[in-house]
Amino acid sequence: DAMVIQNPRYQVTQFGKPVTLSCSQTLNHNVMYWYQQKSSQAPKLLFHYYDKDFNNEADTPDNFQSRRPNTSFCFLDIRSPGLGDAAMYLCATSRAATDTEAFFGQGTRLTVV
Amino acid sequence: LAKTTQPISMDSYEGQEVNITCSHNNIATNDYITWYQQFPSQGPRFIIQGYKTKVTNEVASLFIPADRKSSTLSLPRVSLSDTAVYYCLVDSSGSARQLTFGSGTQLTVLP
Repeated sequence: DAMVIQNPRYQVTQFGKPVTLSCSQTLNHNVMYWYQQKSSQAPKLLFHYYDKDFNNEADTPDNFQSRRPNTSFCFLDIRSPGLGDAAMYLCATSRAATDTEAFFGQGTRLTVV
Repeated sequence: LAKTTQPISMDSYEGQEVNITCSHNNIATNDYITWYQQFPSQGPRFIIQGYKTKVTNEVASLFIPADRKSSTLSLPRVSLSDTAVYYCLVDSSGSARQLTFGSGTQLTVLP
């Protein structure tokens, strides 16, 4: 059974048109992460939540926002997607802040046209 | 954050043991070493985690010397399906861990 679910798997959006990616988890984990992964690169951490506490990476562009309305769901909002934002977006969870084992979703492949 | 250094790529043949070494010279006292595996178009998958000496699970072994400035992931008898990117992570301590990925090692298993 899928434990971290990302929808949709593939998303096409127009240049400058806001887009939202979603992530849900059935693990009841406290920590949720969003990563951006471009082709042939390592995943790059955008932000993470420890429960409701939001932690933004220093180099995450302002164009990227996130919401976590409850434990199970987390959203990534890209306010004005540019061509450079085309990437795989990965959501992950971990049980607690001290855990090093994270569970990743399958990712959402974002294309900007 | 402790920076990690891994080989960019490695080739191996089916049935061989593969050892991937990661350097983390600036590892802090409270840091753990974690390895992930990633197949194309999938999210990374946790393989193993350790603090010191040796850790073994059903998938791999992790060797960490006393100075903890490096670690070696050992995959016994690899198969074609082990072809993937392997990432070494050193976790920062603090109120919430930030799982920061290094560049990773592309392992290609040949028949």
